Amino acid sequence: AQSVTQLGSHVSVSEGALVLLRCNYSSSVPPYLFWYVQYPNQGLQLLLKYTTGATLVKGINGFEAEFKKSETSFHLTKPSAHMSDAAEYFCAVSRGGAAGNKLTFGGGTRVLVKP
Amino acid sequence: DSGVTQTPKHLITATGQRVTLRCSPRSGDLSVYWYQQSLDQGLQFLIQYYNGEERAKGNILERFSAQQFPDLHSELNLSSLELGDSALYFCASSVSGGLAFFGQGTRLTVV
Repeated sequence: AQSVTQLGSHVSVSEGALVLLRCNYSSSVPPYLFWYVQYPNQGLQLLLKYTTGATLVKGINGFEAEFKKSETSFHLTKPSAHMSDAAEYFCAVSRGGAAGNKLTFGGGTRVLVKP
Repeated sequence: DSGVTQTPKHLITATGQRVTLRCSPRSGDLSVYWYQQSLDQGLQFLIQYYNGEERAKGNILERFSAQQFPDLHSELNLSSLELGDSALYFCASSVSGGLAFFGQGTRLTVV
């Protein structure tokens, strides 16, 4: 079975400061990893994904994440927070490929950006 | 816009009732997934259909059922509704086992 743990249900950052959201996963097979963002009263929007290849993945809106197999982690970062980054962020894992794309989500981290 | 359309956006109904949520996947996507997002359970996978057939099942209650039609749209049927079924229900679609795109969700409120 797969599982995802996001450390910190709420994170508060100042505008211009580093955003770091932590995600650890467990998977019995090489995972596909995703970060999604959910703005208030909106659906889920994909920020970035890791399937195979380069372990540093760049996404939209200046976000990036690094897959570290030895640490079973896929932390999300953005060098400089913007007010528009206030949202809830979800890390997710799937087995991908022929096994299908059923996503297992973490509990989410709500980001507050202070001016 | 992800290309996945869910209707209705909002639904308010009474306990014991039955509702149907509809999802139109992106053009060409054969897989449809249903997820439930609630305050206490978070985001949970309910069920997946691929080209009309059930492919995977998650934490879906027996009171809930889904189907995918020949035109690939899908419906999630929720019956004997309870207060605890109040949640945001998302549909996602993908091409085979590829990346899933999510709709805007249907917010169900059971009163």
